[in-house]
Amino acid sequence: NAGVTQTPKFRVLKTGQSMTLLCAQDMNHEYMYWYRQDPGMGLRLIHYSVGEGTTAKGEVPDGYNVSRLKKQNFLLGLESAAPSQTSVYFCASSYTIDGNTIYFGEGSWLTVV
Amino acid sequence: AQKITQTQPGMFVQEKEAVTLDCTYDTSDQSYGLFWYKQPSSGEMIFLIYQGSYDEQNATEGRYSLNFQKARKSANLVISASQLGDSAMYFCAMREDTNAGKSTFGDGTTLTVKP
Repeated sequence: NAGVTQTPKFRVLKTGQSMTLLCAQDMNHEYMYWYRQDPGMGLRLIHYSVGEGTTAKGEVPDGYNVSRLKKQNFLLGLESAAPSQTSVYFCASSYTIDGNTIYFGEGSWLTVV
Repeated sequence: AQKITQTQPGMFVQEKEAVTLDCTYDTSDQSYGLFWYKQPSSGEMIFLIYQGSYDEQNATEGRYSLNFQKARKSANLVISASQLGDSAMYFCAMREDTNAGKSTFGDGTTLTVKP
């Protein structure tokens, strides 16, 4: 029973490099989200998806792109990483728009040097 | 304006005592949900409790209860009989149903349980 799985869990990037974070859920959820969490702060929504083939901007979308080609996967891309993108990234999913539970992945620690 | 406000950056409680973590929210939606999450030092987000805006009774889950005061727009978390393992960061979050189910998080409260 995997739930929400994020890969990789840790990564160090040089400024200007690109990378993709993968989020996979095995619960057939329609809604998926990418958040970032900076030290001592709550989560801020980067992008989200309300179904396969759809994506939308959240609170802090600049510098990130996403894709939801398959219902179970939600990819977060950094085209040209910047030190300001050093953060912990959380993927989450929920079954319905008014679901009483949001399931989180374990987080991906990204450092940009 | 912040949608979720947690006014207590840090709280201390003696083991076995109860503690209340404050959360106020701001929304014009009639339909929304309120959540509390625990984040221990290991970093994962652990779901604790949920309250729907139309739920008339306060939610309870074991030692956790949510004191929901709709008119005041507050959703305080009450932890009874605190344990050392309750030491963690606690986040209040709100999901607005007319906003594609997006959840907004507060900045968190760090709870330290003293032996």
